[in-house]
Amino acid sequence: EPEVTQTPSHQVTQMGQEVILRCVPISNHLYFYWYRQILGQKVEFLVSFYNNEISEKSEIFDDQFSVERPDGSNFTLKIRSTKLEDSAMYFCARTQTKNTEAFFGQGTRLTVV
Amino acid sequence: AQTVTQSQPEMSVQEAETVTLSCTYDTSESDYYLFWYKQPPSRQMILVIRQEAYKQQNATENRFSVNFQKAAKSFSLKISDSQLGDAALYFCAYRSTGNQFYFGTGTSLTVIP
Repeated sequence: EPEVTQTPSHQVTQMGQEVILRCVPISNHLYFYWYRQILGQKVEFLVSFYNNEISEKSEIFDDQFSVERPDGSNFTLKIRSTKLEDSAMYFCARTQTKNTEAFFGQGTRLTVV
Repeated sequence: AQTVTQSQPEMSVQEAETVTLSCTYDTSESDYYLFWYKQPPSRQMILVIRQEAYKQQNATENRFSVNFQKAAKSFSLKISDSQLGDAALYFCAYRSTGNQFYFGTGTSLTVIP
C-alpha cells in the first residue's frame, strides 16, 4: 500500500493564527484530497485537487481554507485565522485515478487554543 | 446527496470469533465504489476492503469479507477469526464516479481476549 506522509503530526496554534498542513506526494498519484475529522465525529470531505486546480469542495471549505502545490511537490492545506472549532484531525488522501481507493496519510492533529 | 449509515456505534467480539458490521447507503447512482476503512488508536485511516458496485461477487481480503446487496443498498463487513489487532473504529465509505468519499459515523469494535 502506497505510503502517504503528512507533516506535522501534531500542530498546536493560537486562535487567529494561520497554519499550513503538508502532504508528501506519490509520483503517480494525481488526485489529492483533504478530509477533516473532529474528535468523535465522522470524517468529512473538504476539497479535492487535480491538475493544480480545485475540482470539488464542500461547504466547510470556505474562504478560510486554501490548497495548493506550490512547487509541484508537497500538497498543502492552509487555514487562515484559525478558530477553536478548527481543532480536528486533518487527513490528506491520494488516489491514482478518479475511481480507485484513497490512501490516507497518518493525519495531522490540529489543536487550536 | 449520498448518505452512509452505520447503525452500530459499538460492537464487541470474542477473540477468534466472527463479527459483522453493518452499513447501508443511499444513492441514485448505479456505478460507485464502497470501502471499509479501519482507524486504530493511532487514528490513521487504513483501507480494509473495497467493492465495485458493478461486480456481483463479494470482495474478500483474507479474514475480511463483505456482503454486498446492491438492491438493498447494504454493505456489511464480516471479520472472521477476530484478532486483538482488529480492535479499531471502522468506517464504511461510499464513492461515486466523482471525487468525494462519503463516510459513515463509524463502528467502534472491541475484541475481547
